[in-house]
Amino acid sequence: DVKVTQSSRYLVKRTGEKVFLECVQDMDHENMFWYRQDPGLGLRLIYFSYDVKMKEKGDIPEGYSVSREKKERFSLILESASTNQTSMYLCASSLPGDSGYGYTFGSGTRLTVV
Amino acid sequence: QKEVEQNSGPLSVPEGAIASLNCTYSDRVSQSFFWYRQYSGKSPELIMSIYSNGDKEDGRFTAQLNKASQYVSLLIRDSQPSDSATYLCAVSLPSNTDKLIFGTGTRLQVFP
Repeated sequence: DVKVTQSSRYLVKRTGEKVFLECVQDMDHENMFWYRQDPGLGLRLIYFSYDVKMKEKGDIPEGYSVSREKKERFSLILESASTNQTSMYLCASSLPGDSGYGYTFGSGTRLTVV
Repeated sequence: QKEVEQNSGPLSVPEGAIASLNCTYSDRVSQSFFWYRQYSGKSPELIMSIYSNGDKEDGRFTAQLNKASQYVSLLIRDSQPSDSATYLCAVSLPSNTDKLIFGTGTRLQVFP
């Protein structure tokens, strides 16, 4: 059935570690997104990719980078994890343009940085 | 002004009642509108989409769109405790139709 898979459901990392969050979709979607969600702040876009090796900064890219070497996989990298990056991270994918189908989300990764 | 605004709630309704969730958006030429349901600790799931003015019904859910007034609403009939969740409104931007703009969500509580 589904569709968008995030590699870890829960993750605990130490301050300063390099952290990789993986997302894989099997729907052949061109677009993939990384969001973080914090109480009271809603969904905030970190990075967006509309094609392989293409990326675009979202609203809060600082401290993050991304990689999209294959269409189905979009990775989020925390270069040096900090406690303020403790959050729920959500990956999503979609068809290009205003397809009307919206996004499909992964199950999320709850990251705690200690 | 935020691009997509929702009342954060919580909206509390008794079981069996109609729950009405509202969303306003700032860009008059937005094209597509979506409602997502998010249970606590889970990811959002799409429950309704609407593109034209008027009502769209799907089971107990009805989405209503009024582009002139720039609002979209979600009605849940015969509300059940299992409907208790946060409901996110999302709108496409004509300037970048690949991206959706999300509201911060309205928390709905349905009590028995």
